[in-house]
Amino acid sequence: GEDVEQSLFLSVREGDSSVINCTYTDSSSTYLYWYKQEPGAGLQLLTYIFSNMDMKQDQRLTVLLNKKDKHLSLRIADTQTGDSAIYFCAEASRSGGSNYKLTFGKGTLLTVNP
Amino acid sequence: DTGVSQDPRHKITKRGQNVTFRCDPISEHNRLYWYRQTLGQGPEFLTYFQNEAQLEKSRLLSDRFSAERPKGSFSTLEIQRTEQGDSAMYLCASSLTRDAPGNIQYFGAGTRLSVL
Repeated sequence: GEDVEQSLFLSVREGDSSVINCTYTDSSSTYLYWYKQEPGAGLQLLTYIFSNMDMKQDQRLTVLLNKKDKHLSLRIADTQTGDSAIYFCAEASRSGGSNYKLTFGKGTLLTVNP
Repeated sequence: DTGVSQDPRHKITKRGQNVTFRCDPISEHNRLYWYRQTLGQGPEFLTYFQNEAQLEKSRLLSDRFSAERPKGSFSTLEIQRTEQGDSAMYLCASSLTRDAPGNIQYFGAGTRLSVL
């Protein structure tokens, strides 16, 4: 079955880079996502990566994928206080025809200190 | 495009009561998902619709839970005889089949249920 693991907490200083790590188990995962959740709010899609890619860059965000080790990371450059939130890693795997079911990790709470 | 809308945002109920939540997906999105998120956990898949057809249900969805999407647009999630263990955030997401890549799911702000 699918399982996604993340470290629960990360604390960085404003201006530093943040790296959030994730491991997954489903080798049939086709896409992997990073979502951001602020207190009391829903999930905001930050970025995604195809399983046949190993890196994707989108402004301050860099996603690295090691498919052999089933390891995904999200790097946030020049982290700001507004980046403080919970970050969820999610894998999408085919489930019942063409449905892509998302399996989420427990989330990493990122705290940015001024 | 106003995004995925959920109503109500908060619901407080007494154990044993029935509750119903509504989700309005992004217009033209043909897929709609319900997830449940408890404190300190990531969202867990509950069920999925393609248009009006409910195509998949998780084992988490006990027989006290029922979801509908009668016209293939908005959806409702009803919980009968609520229990304290049902207290959670209920999230709705929608997606468009032809979207590339991978059926990106866009989430609403959620309905937070508290069962007393």
